[in-house]
Amino acid sequence: QVQLVQSGAEVKKPGASVKVSCKVPEYTLTYLSMHWVRQAPGKGLEWMGGFDPQEGKTIHAQKFQGRVTMTEDTSTDTAYMELTSLKSEDTAMYYCAALTYGSWFDPWGQGILVTVSS
Amino acid sequence: EIVLTQSPATLSLSPGERATLSCRASQGVSSSVAWYQQKPGQPPRLLIYDASNRATGIPARFSGSGSGTDFTLTISSLEPEDFAVYYCQHRSNWPLLTFGPGTKVDIK
Repeated sequence: QVQLVQSGAEVKKPGASVKVSCKVPEYTLTYLSMHWVRQAPGKGLEWMGGFDPQEGKTIHAQKFQGRVTMTEDTSTDTAYMELTSLKSEDTAMYYCAALTYGSWFDPWGQGILVTVSS
Repeated sequence: EIVLTQSPATLSLSPGERATLSCRASQGVSSSVAWYQQKPGQPPRLLIYDASNRATGIPARFSGSGSGTDFTLTISSLEPEDFAVYYCQHRSNWPLLTFGPGTKVDIK
């Protein structure tokens, strides 16, 4: 059973950047198509982007274009999501999730809470 | 852009009752819908994919149906651990993915 490991929390000031991680222990990251989904406190799920295995490239939701970078370190089987120019509205839990059954998310990481506050 | 709406926003039921949750798409999405369950403090969990297929390890009391624009998640007899928020998701705009706003199932 593949596990996605996320831990910790981040507190950032407006305008700063954050880079959150998602480790895949005892598995090979390149076998997964990793995506990122965020959830503001008390709100619903918002897909941010991830790896499109059909095109072989990373794609993002339009609203994050220019602010988000998703990368992978295959030597440590860790995926990263960096979000720049943070605003208070970016305060959210950031989940990594792997595509399965073609284009559905399973499993999910536990999430990393990012708080943006001055 | 295809928008998903879920109803009701909140469903208040007792353990043992049947829960019927609705997800409606603004345009036809074939059978490209999944359902997720999220409990407080936990990440979502995939329940149903491709409208009616149960994911690995999901109990048989969960079932999904529908195609086109109208989809239903049914929990045949609610267990205490089923009280949670349920989200639908579609992939018809692949690679763009969208979730519905969620339905909260709480204890009556």
